Amino acid sequence: EPEVTQTPSHQVTQMGQEVILRCVPISNHLYFYWYRQILGQKVEFLVSFYNNEISEKSEIFDDQFSVERPDGSNFTLKIRSTKLEDSAMYFCASRLEELAKNIQYFGAGTRLSVL
Amino acid sequence: GESVGLHLPTLSVQEGDNSIINCAYSNSASDYFIWYKQESGKGPQFIIDIRSNMDKRQGQRVTVLLNKTVKHLSLQIAATQPGDSAVYFCAEIFVYGQNFVFGPGTRLSVLP
Repeated sequence: EPEVTQTPSHQVTQMGQEVILRCVPISNHLYFYWYRQILGQKVEFLVSFYNNEISEKSEIFDDQFSVERPDGSNFTLKIRSTKLEDSAMYFCASRLEELAKNIQYFGAGTRLSVL
Repeated sequence: GESVGLHLPTLSVQEGDNSIINCAYSNSASDYFIWYKQESGKGPQFIIDIRSNMDKRQGQRVTVLLNKTVKHLSLQIAATQPGDSAVYFCAEIFVYGQNFVFGPGTRLSVLP
């Protein structure tokens, strides 16, 4: 069964450093998402991406965050200057366009630890 | 793997019993609801969905009930198995928005 893959599984970084989290969505999917989950809390939406542009973003997704689909297969989330409170699990998801199959498939996540 | 939801409400059931997990959603305009299962160290995994024009939908061993009057969603798992132990999230979506809004989650613990 096709799946969303995320790398790395765990990223450790120093506060103030830039990190790039990588995702390979399911190949025929058209909508892409990033979510985060702080330990012990619920999954929170960050951003959605369609047709090479951001279609929706939350308040969490400030100027420190950016997304890119550089080569038609990868979908990346960049945090320019990490803060301690960015420590969380980051999940990538993708879905087909069909409204009848409005299901997002999630990757296993990248744990980001900011020291 | 990471332990998700250390302070989540927990439902403990005996193996073989039925489980009922509840969720209150927030947006009366939401027209699509999904239940996800999240095992430790993994991403959310789709279980079952229901559109707002339905009040019940059945899958394999799972049933979702939707009560729009009180904005309540429930997931029933028949004959609960050890592999069902996980955190369960409901998610609501307004179709013309694209992001899901997840509920806080419930940890299901299956006792032998």
